[in-house]
Amino acid sequence: LAKTTQPISMDSYEGQEVNITCSHNNIATNDYITWYQQFPSQGPRFIIQGYKTKVTNEVASLFIPADRKSSTLSLPRVSLSDTAVYYCLVGDGTGRRALTFGSGTRLQVQP
Amino acid sequence: DAGVTQSPTHLIKTRGQQVTLRCSPKSGHDTVSWYQQALGQGPQFIFQYYEEEERQRGNFPDRFSGHQFPNYSSELNVNALLLGDSALYLCASNPPGLAGGVETQYFGPGTRLLVL
Repeated sequence: LAKTTQPISMDSYEGQEVNITCSHNNIATNDYITWYQQFPSQGPRFIIQGYKTKVTNEVASLFIPADRKSSTLSLPRVSLSDTAVYYCLVGDGTGRRALTFGSGTRLQVQP
Repeated sequence: DAGVTQSPTHLIKTRGQQVTLRCSPKSGHDTVSWYQQALGQGPQFIFQYYEEEERQRGNFPDRFSGHQFPNYSSELNVNALLLGDSALYLCASNPPGLAGGVETQYFGPGTRLLVL
């Protein structure tokens, strides 16, 4: 499974856009990129998934360059409730294989 | 539509004891995976069950075992508990589907196990 590298922590203020970048230099041709969000003492929650270019949903956008060796999760206008740990994963995208989590990025949103 | 449910929410055991954790998958889901999450770390894959069989297993000792029932619910059993087994145990389920789809694993709230 491809290894991912993300910043350990990030700080932001309410109303700002937050971009979290993940490196996955060894991503395989059939790998998808998936981001999860986790609040303390809760299970991770699926945010967004993509294969290439840009994906957008009601929560976030995911930008993937042509070489797919990195990806950026973009959270528009964050609020205090976006304070959480964000995990970047790469894999077959179906969830039918073991998910490999790294340490994630701890996002702290200040008022 | 209930999501993934787990019981109990919290549990305290002593070293050497045995514990059983339970998981009911999201409606329509047939595959259940279990993860262990130590404080401050990301979840670590324990094993996955499909059609009542263990399909994949992570790097966990045989003290960790599981079972899946015909209704797709699952149990995680841990024998001879060690202090290091203290963690949040997460259950995740996913629906039947084809490779390449957007569907992924949906997690329950977890069971917090403390071993004293």
